[in-house]
Amino acid sequence: AQRVTQPEKLLSVFKGAPVELKCNYSYSGSPELFWYVQYSRQRLQLLLRHISRESIKGFTADLNKGETSFHLKKPFAQEEDSAMYYCALGVSSNTGKLIFGQGTTLQVKP
Amino acid sequence: EPEVTQTPSHQVTQMGQEVILRCVPISNHLYFYWYRQILGQKVEFLVSFYNNEISEKSEIFDDQFSVERPDGSNFTLKIRSTKLEDSAMYFCASSDGPPSTDTQYFGPGTRLTVL
Repeated sequence: AQRVTQPEKLLSVFKGAPVELKCNYSYSGSPELFWYVQYSRQRLQLLLRHISRESIKGFTADLNKGETSFHLKKPFAQEEDSAMYYCALGVSSNTGKLIFGQGTTLQVKP
Repeated sequence: EPEVTQTPSHQVTQMGQEVILRCVPISNHLYFYWYRQILGQKVEFLVSFYNNEISEKSEIFDDQFSVERPDGSNFTLKIRSTKLEDSAMYFCASSDGPPSTDTQYFGPGTRLTVL
């Protein structure tokens, strides 16, 4: 089965604290993993993808095939990081079909 | 910066009526997608479209749904006879190059309410 699981609906941290948003996937093929973010009243936008291995806005994510995970991390959370975060799995390089997780709301308190 | 646009932002319709949701993808993009999100649930893939034909569709995308690129700029999703369970936020997305390498850019969504 092709599935993405984000176990936390809400993650609440204080400014400056480390953040880890969990994502696990189930897929028998070679996975392409993405993190999308949706700030309040804005559209879904790509935050990062595993193949680029870059850090965006201080966030990083490492694909762990052994644990089938792609957790999103940031060492020091900022208030402007408050948003909904979606992990997504690309299951077809030809058609672009993405399978999304349920999403995690990150709330960074001052 | 170019963006995907969608109209209307909110559509209210009666069960059994036809609706057309409109999207204007980013102008040089070649790959187009529709997703939907029922309130409180996951974003779900509906269909992908390239070179004037459907490349993949989900099991949700039954005979009541169709997509069209009527004029080279718009990309539409038609629901022939709406059901209550079609109430959702519908997102259009587009990408420039092959889906495996290029980012999908999402529109702001159309909220469809079926009464």
